[in-house]
Amino acid sequence: DQQVKQNSPSLSVQEGRISILNCDYTNSMFDYFLWYKKYPAEGPTFLISISSIKDKNEDGRFTVFLNKSAKHLSLHIVPSQPGDSAVYFCAASGYNFNKFYFGSGTKLNVKP
Amino acid sequence: SAVISQKPSRDICQRGTSLTIQCQVDSQVTMMFWYRQQPGQSLTLIATANQGSEATYESGFVIDKFPISRPNLTFSTLTVSNMSPEDSSIYLCSVWGDSYEQYFGPGTRLTVT
Repeated sequence: DQQVKQNSPSLSVQEGRISILNCDYTNSMFDYFLWYKKYPAEGPTFLISISSIKDKNEDGRFTVFLNKSAKHLSLHIVPSQPGDSAVYFCAASGYNFNKFYFGSGTKLNVKP
Repeated sequence: SAVISQKPSRDICQRGTSLTIQCQVDSQVTMMFWYRQQPGQSLTLIATANQGSEATYESGFVIDKFPISRPNLTFSTLTVSNMSPEDSSIYLCSVWGDSYEQYFGPGTRLTVT
């Protein structure tokens, strides 16, 4: 039973436009959410996180939105750059951070 | 942040053999994890490596197949035992940092023939 889902396996966006990556979860006990970027042949790199007490967190071009009632989070990248082309994973954890559940990833392609 | 290195970066192994993967962190960390990413799939937690005690395994993973050592707060090993082609995956070491961020090593790409 997959508790964190990324229903879009891929997304293609023009350079300079907004990229929106979505993630849904089923466990209402999740307390902390993270987004990672992964290039081929590398480990995932932490991008941005959000705690359940917030509904938005912003870091430069990256903003994560959390809708707890819908059990949905999204990552916005504005403006998108070709270097953003990678696989993006969302992950969720309970308050004690002793286990993280990952989505299946969305492959983002930013076209020049 | 934490810098994590893994050895080997990749290996091709024969069925029935074992491979030990090493994970080294540049700072002391409390929580260290081992993940597996099978082709085209998400990251799956294998176990939490506990310093000075037995690892905590997730459902579907057992110590006989994936023995883990954690001799200190900067180092851990994962052994994939009696390998079969189904064990072909990327194995990733991860740590949980003090700034509420999770860091990953570069991964070990294992192919079992």
